[in-house]
Formats: sequence, C-alpha cells, structure tokens
Amino acid sequence: EDQVTQSPEALRLQEGESSSLNCSYTVSGLRGLFWYRQDPGKGPEFLFTLYSAGEEKEKERLKATLTKKESFLHITAPKPEDSATYLCAVQAGSNSGYALNFGKGTSLLVTP
Amino acid sequence: GAGVSQSPSNKVTEKGKDVELRCDPISGHTALYWYRQRLGQGLEFLIYFQGNSAPDKSGLPSDRFSAERTGESVSTLTIQRTQQEDSAVYLCASSFGGHGEQYFGPGTRLTVT
Repeated sequence: EDQVTQSPEALRLQEGESSSLNCSYTVSGLRGLFWYRQDPGKGPEFLFTLYSAGEEKEKERLKATLTKKESFLHITAPKPEDSATYLCAVQAGSNSGYALNFGKGTSLLVTP
Repeated sequence: GAGVSQSPSNKVTEKGKDVELRCDPISGHTALYWYRQRLGQGLEFLIYFQGNSAPDKSGLPSDRFSAERTGESVSTLTIQRTQQEDSAVYLCASSFGGHGEQYFGPGTRLTVT
C-alpha cells in the first residue's frame, strides 16, 4: 500500500532560521511528487511537482528536492508570511487513476 | 483567470439529512477530483472525473456518497443521510489532464450536528 509520511508534524523557526521539511514515501511506480502550501481555512496552493530522483525546483525561499525514497522542502531565511501547513502528496501508478495520496502535513510557524 | 470555486463555503446540517456540495472547476480543465479533509487527517481521495470517461469512484467511503459532473464543467457531491463522521472540509480540485498539477478550491466545511 502506498504511504506518505511527513516530518516533523510541527516546526517553529525564527525569522531567518533555515530548515528542511521531510516527506518519505513508498509507492509502486511514482508518477509525480507534489508539494502544496495550505493556509488556515483555505484550500491547498500548488507549489512544485517533481518527477524523478535528482530533480530540484526552486521558488523564492523554497527549494524542493527528490530522491527515490524521500523529498525535502528546504526553506531558506524564512519570513513570518511563510507560516502555513506544507503538504506532500504522491501520484502513483498503483492507486486510483491520478488521485493524489497526501501526507498529514508539517505545520510551520515562523516568528519575527 | 478564475480559480476553482466551491459552494457553499460552510454547511451545517442535522444528522440524517441530505446535502449537496458544488464545484466549478477552472475553465478548460478536463479532470476534476473530490477530496475530504477531516480534522488532524490528511486529504482523502473520494472520486475522479476525466472528460467523458466513467468516473473513478474507488475512494467513496460508502454508498451514501455520490457525485455527478456535467460534461467538463460543474460537479456536485451528494451525501445522503449524513452522519456525524461526515463532518469535514470537502475540497474540489481540477487539472488539465489527469497527470497535471491539481488546483484546489477553498473547500466546503460541512458540520453534521
């Protein structure tokens, strides 16, 4: 069965303090790994898609990387506005069509 | 352009009543998905529509749940005889083709009392 595990569950950083969020996965035939940001009371906002091991993508202070077993979301010099829940999801060949299988998320709080 | 929209944003209903939730996908997106997000849990897949193909209903938790989609536009998720465990945020997403990134609406928060 496909599994997605995110760690830590919660992370508190000071403004400017860089860190990484982890997403470990076990799937049969990875089609893609997705990162989303979710603010309270809102739907997930798409950030990145990664398709193969070794791939990296960047957007402002965020950088996502992928290996055969896990993905990292690196946050460089975070600002308070980066506070949100970050969700990781996989799209696999073995599950329901193109449905995404989500982890439970990492809740990030960045304090001034 | 306009994103995915959902209505209502909030719905409070009594146990045993039926509810209908609506989703308007991004124009031109052929694929539409429904997910459920219960408190403290990850998003759970419910159902997937792709063009005129038969929907993938494998995520629906019981036969009280059903969904329809008109062509490549609006979708309605219906929950019959609601139970307290149905309380959750119901999220709709659409994508250009099944393999593309999915864009989510703001969700409908359903509370069953």
